Amino acid sequence: LAKTTQPISMDSYEGQEVNITCSHNNIATNDYITWYQQFPSQGPRFIIQGYKTKVTNEVASLFIPADRKSSTLSLPRVSLSDTAVYYCLVGDIGNRDDKIIFGKGTRLHILP
Amino acid sequence: DAGITQSPRHKVTETGTPVTLRCHQTENHRYMYWYRQDPGHGLRLIHYSYGVKDTDKGEVSDGYSVSRSKTEDFLLTLESATSSQTSVYFCAISDLDRDNTEAFFGQGTRLTVV
Repeated sequence: LAKTTQPISMDSYEGQEVNITCSHNNIATNDYITWYQQFPSQGPRFIIQGYKTKVTNEVASLFIPADRKSSTLSLPRVSLSDTAVYYCLVGDIGNRDDKIIFGKGTRLHILP
Repeated sequence: DAGITQSPRHKVTETGTPVTLRCHQTENHRYMYWYRQDPGHGLRLIHYSYGVKDTDKGEVSDGYSVSRSKTEDFLLTLESATSSQTSVYFCAISDLDRDNTEAFFGQGTRLTVV
């Protein structure tokens, strides 16, 4: 399993774009990159997943450079409700032995 | 929301007693997971299952056992609870194929061992 490294915490202000970068230097060829969001007292929730280049959905964008050794989750125009912990995961989707392992995540705090 | 229910939602138990937490799903997903979450540690995988009667250990499996006799139910048992097992426990389900890669989590069970 590729180990991931994320900032422990980040602060930002309402209305700004927030970028959270995750390093995964040992990512394997078959590995996908997945981001989850967790609010206090709730289970994590899937945000976005990608393999290479850029993926965008209604919630966020995920930027993956050509070497895939890092990825950046971009949250456009954040609000107070985006305050949460964000987890970056790397693994081989579809491989039974590749367990879903979480790191410590990035605690994002949005200020008014 | 995915049909996943954890029970009980809260439990207080005494050291040395057995405790069983239940995870029930109505999505017919193949994979089921048990995690614990403690301050400063994030989510840690305890055990997981990739089918009926097929289970495997995760990162922190000591002191825990699991059983999956039906697709929809995944039980986590603490054979003899200890104070270090006080935590919030989350169950998750997934199909983990390339067209359906999302994992869905339950609301959690807060367990206190006194």
